Amino acid sequence: AQSVTQLGSHVSVSEGALVLLRCNYSSSVPPYLFWYVQYPNQGLQLLLKYTTGATLVKGINGFEAEFKKSETSFHLTKPSAHMSDAAEYFCAVTMNSGGYQKVTFGTGTKLQVIP
Amino acid sequence: KAGVTQTPRYLIKTRGQQVTLSCSPISGHRSVSWYQQTPGQGLQFLFEYFSETQRNKGNFPGRFSGRQFSNSRSEMNVSTLELGDSALYLCASSLTGGPTGYTFGSGTRLTVV
Repeated sequence: AQSVTQLGSHVSVSEGALVLLRCNYSSSVPPYLFWYVQYPNQGLQLLLKYTTGATLVKGINGFEAEFKKSETSFHLTKPSAHMSDAAEYFCAVTMNSGGYQKVTFGTGTKLQVIP
Repeated sequence: KAGVTQTPRYLIKTRGQQVTLSCSPISGHRSVSWYQQTPGQGLQFLFEYFSETQRNKGNFPGRFSGRQFSNSRSEMNVSTLELGDSALYLCASSLTGGPTGYTFGSGTRLTVV
C-alpha cells in the first residue's frame, strides 16, 4: 500500500525567507510524485512532478522539489517566499495498482507568509 | 485549451434532497476522478471513471454515485443529503491517470441546511 505524510499542517515563514514543505511517502514500487497548490475556494493546481530521470524537478512560481529515494522524501522548496505563495500545498504519490494508476494525496500543509 | 469545468459553482440544498454535480474534463482526457474536501477530513477520494467505467472507488456510502458519458463528461449524484455532506466537491481529469498528473476544476461548494 502507498501512503503520503506531510509533516506540519501549518507552516509560517517570513516574506523573503526559505520555504520548505516536507513530504515523505511509502511505496512498494517506484512512484510518481507530485506537488499541488490550492488557493482559497479553488481547485488544486499542479506545481511540479517527478516521474523518471533527474531527481531535482523545477515547477511553476519558482518552486522545486528533490526526489530522494533513500529517504523516501520529496520535499518542496522555494528560496524566497512571496506573499502570493500563501496557500495550501498537497503532496501526492501515484503508483500502479491492479493495472491502473492509483493516486494518494497527503493531508496538506497550509503556508502562511508573514510580511 | 479549456480547463476542467464544474457546474454549478455553488449549491444550497436541504437535508433529504438529492443533488447532481457535473464535470466536463479537458478535451481528450478519459479519466475523471471526484474528491470531497472538508476542513476536518481533507481530500477524500470518491471514485474514478475511465472510458465510462468506474475503475476505483473510495469508502463512501452508496448514497454517493457517479457516471461518465461517452464524451467523458461525468456526473456525481448524492441522494438523501445529510448535513455532513456539506463540502467542496472537486473533479479532476487526466489523460489516463498516473504520471501525467491531474487537472482540477474549481469545484462545487455544496451546503446542506
